[in-house]
Amino acid sequence: DAGVIQSPRHEVTEMGQEVTLRCKPISGHDYLFWYRQTMMRGLELLIYFNNNVPIDDSGMPEDRFSAKMPNASFSTLKIQPSEPRDSAVYFCASSLTGGSKNIQYFGAGTRLSVL
Amino acid sequence: GQQVMQIPQYQHVQEGEDFTTYCNSSTTLSNIQWYKQRPGGHPVFLIQLVKSGEVKKQKRLTFQFGEAKKNSSLHITATQTTDVGTYFCAGRDAGNMLTFGGGTRLMVKP
Repeated sequence: DAGVIQSPRHEVTEMGQEVTLRCKPISGHDYLFWYRQTMMRGLELLIYFNNNVPIDDSGMPEDRFSAKMPNASFSTLKIQPSEPRDSAVYFCASSLTGGSKNIQYFGAGTRLSVL
Repeated sequence: GQQVMQIPQYQHVQEGEDFTTYCNSSTTLSNIQWYKQRPGGHPVFLIQLVKSGEVKKQKRLTFQFGEAKKNSSLHITATQTTDVGTYFCAGRDAGNMLTFGGGTRLMVKP
């Protein structure tokens, strides 16, 4: 399996622009997680889905952030409008209920810089 | 909600010295996982502990789960430069929710 695939790997944009981050989970996994990582705040859970349904979005910082999972093999995290404080590495992870140890498998991340 | 705290936040060691990171949960856990993130990389699963008082070893790494299932530790014997990275514990609560600690960043001086 190719693992969790995220795109783009790097994104540089200007304040006010819309940013869309993409994630393809491991085939067959039923949970998908979006995390944000910064030096100041560490690894933060933003939102997670179970069987394509958002379960908990309490970690989404504000209304500028939205996430969708239209099908089992694709999810997006959108920031509109983006701000410099959104600069971070965004990770997507997936896991399988009842799978060996319920391990979370992380993608390589998207490094976002908002100028 | 569940909180998972890790200490220390950073640790510098000389190559060959030992290293320990500690993880504490505000609630009793059903299990705990440990992940390692290399610089510029992503978190990668290392191990899971399930039983009270459990101890597991992976070469120079020793993982312990406390008797009360609220704390855990990772000890590295004789660190090497390849051990550099951030080590995260992640506690799973009764509701099956996995919560990551803040991580301990290990730096090793050759």
